[in-house]
Amino acid sequence: QAGLTQPPSVSKGLRQTATLTCTGNSNNVGNQGAAWLQQHQGHPPKLLFYRNNDRASGISERFSASRPGNTASLTITGLQPEDEADYYCSAWDSSLSAWVFGGGTKLTVL
Amino acid sequence: EVHLLESGGGLVQPGGSLRLSCAASGFTFSRYAMNWVRQAPGKGLDWVSGISSSGGYTFYADSVKGRFTISRDNSKNTLYLQTDSLRAEDTAVYYCAKENNSPDSWGQGTLVTVSS
Repeated sequence: QAGLTQPPSVSKGLRQTATLTCTGNSNNVGNQGAAWLQQHQGHPPKLLFYRNNDRASGISERFSASRPGNTASLTITGLQPEDEADYYCSAWDSSLSAWVFGGGTKLTVL
Repeated sequence: EVHLLESGGGLVQPGGSLRLSCAASGFTFSRYAMNWVRQAPGKGLDWVSGISSSGGYTFYADSVKGRFTISRDNSKNTLYLQTDSLRAEDTAVYYCAKENNSPDSWGQGTLVTVSS
């Protein structure tokens, strides 16, 4: 099943701002919105944002999400060492009747 | 607090079968759709299957259709995944995830290794 497109890696400096993107189509991201998940090495994924861009419980306000068209974006301001992780987007695809995931972006905080 | 505990993983030969379970607690299990998502070693997340809150609707990724069967027992607060005709490429950590508009809670996962 076709997945969502994410850049494999992004590197930014401490206290800088990182913007991660997730591109789909009108059957998934454009229609249904995209959720964002964070995964640290050796741990299960943790939801950051619901598909409607609502922040999940306990998530720092340094994290924000938006969805202009078929591309969703996750912005992290004031980068901290603990933000270094893999970030995945996910959306329900109404034509496939399936959840689709992006390949993930590895965020490195320099 | 939501708690999801997967079990049933292990080492199995190609062509073999395993039944994975996910015990849920901390929420009203019967009100939520549930999903299985897997992650091969060093790879990304891969959705496997989903089931509606009542169990009346099931969904599968093309890669497992006809080989895997998802089910649930709302009286036992447990989600299942019957995996048959396993292949080497099914090797992964299998997570169960509660669905509330999005996959909002995840278990720790159970490792399935398919190898001779």
